[in-house]
Amino acid sequence: DQQVKQNSPSLSVQEGRISILNCDYTNSMFDYFLWYKKYPAEGPTFLISISSIKDKNEDGRFTVFLNKSAKHLSLHIVPSQPGDSAVYFCAASALGGGYALNFGKGTSLLVTP
Amino acid sequence: DAGVIQSPRHEVTEMGQEVTLRCKPISGHDYLFWYRQTMMRGLELLIYFNNNVPIDDSGMPEDRFSAKMPNASFSTLKIQPSEPRDSAVYFCASSDVTGPYYGYTFGSGTRLTVV
Repeated sequence: DQQVKQNSPSLSVQEGRISILNCDYTNSMFDYFLWYKKYPAEGPTFLISISSIKDKNEDGRFTVFLNKSAKHLSLHIVPSQPGDSAVYFCAASALGGGYALNFGKGTSLLVTP
Repeated sequence: DAGVIQSPRHEVTEMGQEVTLRCKPISGHDYLFWYRQTMMRGLELLIYFNNNVPIDDSGMPEDRFSAKMPNASFSTLKIQPSEPRDSAVYFCASSDVTGPYYGYTFGSGTRLTVV
């Protein structure tokens, strides 16, 4: 069963605006949450992560917010740029359950000029 | 470092044939993962190794799939016999102990088509 869910398969945003990508999870044992970015014909690349003891982490234009009570996290990209157009995967790990990352199915972001 | 290297990039094979996918992890990484990406199931973990030892193979779909890691710099994923439903993109990834926090490094993937 899918423990990490990205319910929006696609999102379109204008250049300069904010992109908000959402992710929900079901396993309360998850310790770390990560976002990956994937361009066509390439492997996913790590973008940003957040520990379950925090509720926000920033890295430049990218901010991840975690709401543990709602089992929800989101990735904010401000301002969005055309080069941000890619598929974004949410992932989570539960260290007590091993070393694997559980991935969502991804959200395809299109940033239009 | 050249990153995680996978070969071949593309593989087209006939149903029933044996397929071998190859992966060279980043030097110094002691974890290696095989993932499969399909439209229906997204990115799913097949198996992972720690120090060349298989730790969790619960994601391997069936006995037709096998994976080996004979040394720290090489791993293979074999499908025998292959079936059309095995068509997918197969990714190899590696990490050190910080992987769950700072992410794995993925290879570019092998796109497998079984006809």
